[in-house]
Amino acid sequence: KAGVTQTPRYLIKTRGQQVTLSCSPISGHRSVSWYQQTPGQGLQFLFEYFSETQRNKGNFPGRFSGRQFSNSRSEMNVSTLELGDSALYLCASSLAGGLGEQYFGPGTRLTVT
Amino acid sequence: AQTVTQSQPEMSVQEAETVTLSCTYDTSESDYYLFWYKQPPSRQMILVIRQEAYKQQNATENRFSVNFQKAAKSFSLKISDSQLGDAAMYFCAYRSAGFNKFYFGSGTKLNVKP
Repeated sequence: KAGVTQTPRYLIKTRGQQVTLSCSPISGHRSVSWYQQTPGQGLQFLFEYFSETQRNKGNFPGRFSGRQFSNSRSEMNVSTLELGDSALYLCASSLAGGLGEQYFGPGTRLTVT
Repeated sequence: AQTVTQSQPEMSVQEAETVTLSCTYDTSESDYYLFWYKQPPSRQMILVIRQEAYKQQNATENRFSVNFQKAAKSFSLKISDSQLGDAAMYFCAYRSAGFNKFYFGSGTKLNVKP
């Protein structure tokens, strides 16, 4: 099976712009979670989508949003970018239930200037 | 909310030696899962080992084993016969049984010296 894929891998944006990141889960996985990884804060949970519905949410402002499509692919959107949004954004997919193991994608490195 | 603490920001081990990475967590739940993930430099995060809280037996995966102390809420990772390829950031993670939401520790950077 193909692993979790994320596009684009690298992105440079200007403060105030918006950005959309994409994640394709492993075939058959219906749960997609998003994380923000920074050197100072580590891995922070953004949200989880399952069957096109947001099921869990972390403590991020409303500028961070996401959605999931019927094929389980997910997108994450950040509006009005701030310098502090510079991070590695990781997507992980899993089979809902079971052992709950998450499989991670390579991440999208977002730099806000 | 659950919290996961890794008190060792960085550790070093000599090749072929054994090293133990510490992790503690705070929860009021009785049913949950614990994981160790490895993130090599500029590479994808991968699962190293997992432990179900209801199992008393410690999980092992080849050179990797855990010491799970449920009462103490401790979940350490032991790497035996360390190899250069083990150099990476290691993250401890918690997931409750009822929710597919993971809590990660801040990570431990492991250096392996030849």
